[in-house]
Amino acid sequence: QQPVQSPQAVILREGEDAVINCSSSKALYSVHWYRQKHGEAPVFLMILLKGGEQKGHDKISASFNEKKQQSSLYLTASQLSYSGTYFCGTESHNAGNMLTFGGGTRLMVKP
Amino acid sequence: DVKVTQSSRYLVKRTGEKVFLECVQDMDHENMFWYRQDPGLGLRLIYFSYDVKMKEKGDIPEGYSVSREKKERFSLILESASTNQTSMYLCASSTPRDSQETQYFGPGTRLLVL
Repeated sequence: QQPVQSPQAVILREGEDAVINCSSSKALYSVHWYRQKHGEAPVFLMILLKGGEQKGHDKISASFNEKKQQSSLYLTASQLSYSGTYFCGTESHNAGNMLTFGGGTRLMVKP
Repeated sequence: DVKVTQSSRYLVKRTGEKVFLECVQDMDHENMFWYRQDPGLGLRLIYFSYDVKMKEKGDIPEGYSVSREKKERFSLILESASTNQTSMYLCASSTPRDSQETQYFGPGTRLLVL
């Protein structure tokens, strides 16, 4: 079963913050986050492997709550370049690097 | 620089035609994947392969088959294309978990079946 992402779409002005959530009905081994710009391939952002782990680079960070089977992606002081569709990919235990992707969250950052 | 390439960016086929989608990676990755991407449904796994000549069904394998004769190449085959197979098809590759790497995607093939 696919993880559920929320919200499905969000519109921001430059400099505003956003949070994208990813919830799974299965116990998770890892969560992977990707961003896809229109007409391009999804690009890897980060992987979270341990419950409670938080990672980030630049002003994009993420957390992983293993108990709640959830992950959140935080975009701080958004830039125009952040626009795109964000996907979470979840990996269950013993899934052998097989990911199940959420439906995506479309983010648009306006000047 | 890692690279996953797909044979076509856009493809138009007629119902009933046999369609081949090719994917090549130059990273010596063991695992390769085929997904289809539809609005609101995200990426859904069709088939994957963890070694040459090995294949496993994903979540939506019906109507598709795959071939992996060489490590770098993974082909998706639509034996008899139907209109409900109109979609964006994405190929990806990865190494096993030990290296904690994730999947690298190709640019996608947008297939229209008339």
